[in-house]
Amino acid sequence: QSVLTQPPSASGTPGQRVTISCSGSRSDIGNNYVYWYQQFPGTAPKLLIYENTQRPSGVPDRFSGSKSGSSASLAISGLRSEDEADYYCAAWDDSLSVRFGGGTKLTVL
Amino acid sequence: QLQLQESGPGLLKPSETLSLTCSVSGGSIFRSSYYFGWIRQPPGKGLEWIGSIHFGGTTYYNPSLKSRITISVDTSKNQFSLRLNSVTAADTGVFYCARHGGIYLAAADFWGPGTRVIVSS
Repeated sequence: QSVLTQPPSASGTPGQRVTISCSGSRSDIGNNYVYWYQQFPGTAPKLLIYENTQRPSGVPDRFSGSKSGSSASLAISGLRSEDEADYYCAAWDDSLSVRFGGGTKLTVL
Repeated sequence: QLQLQESGPGLLKPSETLSLTCSVSGGSIFRSSYYFGWIRQPPGKGLEWIGSIHFGGTTYYNPSLKSRITISVDTSKNQFSLRLNSVTAADTGVFYCARHGGIYLAAADFWGPGTRVIVSS
């Protein structure tokens, strides 16, 4: 079962800014880095954001991450149709385990 | 460019043992500072971390699966493997192997394409 809480769905129109939240606890998000993944149907996840706010090479700066306390957010600005995908947050837990969020399905209207 | 590829049987019967191997190319597991791990995804559901290993043998396992899993590494073949005992239908899904960002096991920057496993009688 997912320990990190994400909304199951989110949506926006092209050009809009959309945010996806990820809520945890002090032992996971509160004390550790947050990571975000993007997954298209039938493909492996792709690392989108690492260490709360950093973008790997090749990830557009339309994607940004933030963290406050035991919550984190992924923001997508200038929404495009190709951003329609599933998004997952993840964090290490102090009990020596990796926690994933349940995933958010982003629909571009 | 690092590449990972999962291999193993796609169909098992309940109570059998699942054995998967991840072959790594374009980089060496040996003397690497990185951890390598397994993540699975049941049909239509989210991601679940299974466990991770360092070439030196240090392992971290998902507590909910710990009693049933073993992850090992074969540096001579540049591979690491997963064994999952006593499988049930709940173990059906896509299994991914991945490279973690150093000791940061919630980070996975290289993934295999995934291998589908079905548990059915």
